[in-house]
Amino acid sequence: DAGITQSPRHKVTETGTPVTLRCHQTENHRYMYWYRQDPGHGLRLIHYSYGVKDTDKGEVSDGYSVSRSKTEDFLLTLESATSSQTSVYFCAISVMTGEADTQYFGPGTRLTVL
Amino acid sequence: AQTVTQSQPEMSVQEAETVTLSCTYDTSESDYYLFWYKQPPSRQMILVIRQEAYKQQNATENRFSVNFQKAAKSFSLKISDSQLGDAAMYFCAYRSVLSGTYKYIFGTGTRLKVLA
Repeated sequence: DAGITQSPRHKVTETGTPVTLRCHQTENHRYMYWYRQDPGHGLRLIHYSYGVKDTDKGEVSDGYSVSRSKTEDFLLTLESATSSQTSVYFCAISVMTGEADTQYFGPGTRLTVL
Repeated sequence: AQTVTQSQPEMSVQEAETVTLSCTYDTSESDYYLFWYKQPPSRQMILVIRQEAYKQQNATENRFSVNFQKAAKSFSLKISDSQLGDAAMYFCAYRSVLSGTYKYIFGTGTRLKVLA
């Protein structure tokens, strides 16, 4: 347990509504990530952050935005949710272990867009 | 761009037997890290094992070991003495050393069933 929480854990929303998912860490790690997990695709990186107010796009960033105003919080926003964004969303942090980092994951958020 | 391929969508193993999950990757880099993660039905992603590409010795963690073949770009996971609790999705992941962003690339996963 790397002290990562995600909220909400489950959410059902309607197409066109805005949605914000929150990732919170307790250990002040610099790197944070948002992934989505879909059958047949594994985990795909949406956005990541390498510090407060420092963020960059991953491979599936269209339709998503992120913000990081504090080290401990990384927010993922769907400005106008679509059914294709129905997925399980994972937050992760990078923790230095020995010579390299290892990513540790939050418990996930299941989002359903109707 | 790097890619990670897990060609076995699903595998089964008898309890107490040994099973090997395959992973291949494509990269032009010489230094990188490889990982295996386990995702049980609880959905929590759990690190199983990590391998540094510059190390020739295969990593081991209790009943889990890897067969790292750098020239073949292969990174298989062997689970010995399989237990019912090993039933899960297993993901292989690659991380470039050069990227500086600590981004991981994941395979599509292999679902392991353990038969009693």
